[in-house]
Amino acid sequence: DAKTTQPTSMDCAEGRAANLPCNHSTISGNEYVYWYRQIHSQGPQYIIHGLKNNETNEMASLIITEDRKSSTLILPHATLRDTAVYYCIVRVASTNRDDKIIFGKGTRLHILP
Amino acid sequence: DVKVTQSSRYLVKRTGEKVFLECVQDMDHENMFWYRQDPGLGLRLIYFSYDVKMKEKGDIPEGYSVSREKKERFSLILESASTNQTSMYLCASSTAGTGGLGYTFGSGTRLTVV
Repeated sequence: DAKTTQPTSMDCAEGRAANLPCNHSTISGNEYVYWYRQIHSQGPQYIIHGLKNNETNEMASLIITEDRKSSTLILPHATLRDTAVYYCIVRVASTNRDDKIIFGKGTRLHILP
Repeated sequence: DVKVTQSSRYLVKRTGEKVFLECVQDMDHENMFWYRQDPGLGLRLIYFSYDVKMKEKGDIPEGYSVSREKKERFSLILESASTNQTSMYLCASSTAGTGGLGYTFGSGTRLTVV
């Protein structure tokens, strides 16, 4: 799976958009970008994923650059409950046996009141 | 509400004890995983299983073993607990063939070895 690079930590004011970057310059054509987040004392939770088009759901938007070497997770109106560690993961979408995710260290997002 | 249940939220064991961490999922998922999480090191994969009685090593299997006798249950075993195994342990499950999609995690077991 392609390696990802994320900033260690970021701050964002409550009510503003939080933009979390992820670099994945070695991504291959059949690899998706996935985002998970982990709120303190809980297990990670799936947020969104995409291949090349931008994606949006009720939690967030995912913007993937045209060359697919980087992406940005956007939380449009951050709240204090969005304070968490955010993991960007790149891997193939469908395999039979090798479905394991390697999480890395992620970005610690602090939402400031 | 579908879920992954870990048997203990907090556990304190003595050095040298055999420790069993239990995980049960009710989603009929084929895949199950054990991770440990330590400050500054992120989530690291210990073992995973893609079918009953099947297991594969993750990145840090040393000092651990696993058992999957039934589809819904995946146990992590510390044969002889040591203080460096003090950590948060997280179990997860997913449907086969979905890559990185749809992982569901338990709430974690915080194990302290004294």
